[in-house]
Formats: sequence, C-alpha cells, structure tokens
Amino acid sequence: SQELEQSPQSLIVQEGKNLTINCTSSKTLYGLYWYKQKYGEGLIFLMMLQKGGEEKSHEKITAKLDEKKQQSSLHITASQPSHAGIYLCGADPGANNLFFGTGTRLTVIP
Amino acid sequence: GAVVSQHPSRVICKSGTSVKIECRSLDFQATTMFWYRQFPKQSLMLMATSNEGSKATYEQGVEKDKFLINHASLTLSTLTVTSAHPEDSSFYICSAYRALTEAFFGQGTRLTVV
Repeated sequence: SQELEQSPQSLIVQEGKNLTINCTSSKTLYGLYWYKQKYGEGLIFLMMLQKGGEEKSHEKITAKLDEKKQQSSLHITASQPSHAGIYLCGADPGANNLFFGTGTRLTVIP
Repeated sequence: GAVVSQHPSRVICKSGTSVKIECRSLDFQATTMFWYRQFPKQSLMLMATSNEGSKATYEQGVEKDKFLINHASLTLSTLTVTSAHPEDSSFYICSAYRALTEAFFGQGTRLTVV
C-alpha cells in the first residue's frame, strides 16, 4: 500500500514564527492534498497540487510539490493559534484512491 | 463545494451489538467512497474502498466480516461494525473522491463501545 511519511510528527512553535511540514513518498504521486483537522472533527481542505514544481498559496499557507512529484512541503508564515491542529497530507498514487500521511500535530503558543 | 453527510456523529453501543454508519454524497454521484479510521493523536487509516454496485476493497489487516461495507447507490455507502467490541471504539470518517479532484469528507462518527 502507498506510504506517506510526514515530518515532523509534532511541532510546537511560538506565535508569529514560520514553520514547515514535509510529506514524502517513495512513489510518484498523481495528486497531493493537504488537509487540516482537529481530532474527532472533519477535515478542512487546504490545497491540492498536481503538477511537478507546482506551488499554491492561501492566506499564510504555501504548499509546494517537487519536480519529481514525490515530496511536498507546507509552509506557514507568521503562525497564529488558529493554525493549531493536525495537518495531513493525502496522495493519490494513481489508483483512484487516497492515502494519508502519518500526520503532523501543530501547537502554536500565544 | 460538494457535501458529504455522515450519520450518526456519535454513537454509544453495547459490546456484541452492531452499528451502522451512513455516508451520503448530497450533490454529486460518487462511484467511489472511502472509509477511514482514526485513533487519538494518529492520522487517518484507510480501511476500505467502497465501489458502487460491487464489493468493497479492503486494506490489509482490516477484517471484512467485521466491517461490512455496502454501496448500493451512487449517493450512499454504509459501514456496519458487527459484533462491536471496546477495541472498535474509534473515530470513523468517510470520503467521496473523484480522481484528481478534491476529496470531500463527512464530519465523522465517534463510536464508543461499552
């Protein structure tokens, strides 16, 4: 089955600091999704990347997909307490299904 | 965007009983739906792929006789946890997905087996 490794698993940052979360696959990805979640709640769609080298931004969050389409990074600028939660990368390995990475738990200290 | 409705949001059942969770795509036809399970402080684990009109495809390690999936129509998939035990207590979430478009998630079901 498809495996996605996320790093770090847990991250604690001071409010206002920048941070980066990485998502790595050993296989080429046909679609890479970033979601935010609070445990026990639904997922909030952040961004989808499909093309190698693609970069998208939404408010203070930027996501990139590398040229080989095997690694993606999510960057948050000037973090706020509202950014706290679990960040999940999901990927379609080309089999019309969606697997998730191990998740990154973000805590932002005011 | 599209909406996926999952019901119930919370359920408490006695050990040995069965629980059915419904997942409906409200404004589009979903030929494929996915069921995930999530433990506290962990990511979503894909349990099975539900295909309309055919048998579900289960991931390795997931008991298909334990977690019965039915996808009888293009808008409804159900997950039945049979003979539930306390270790089945978890957060279950469904998703409707069309390849290379956004995946739409239900709000999840928190199952507690006592």
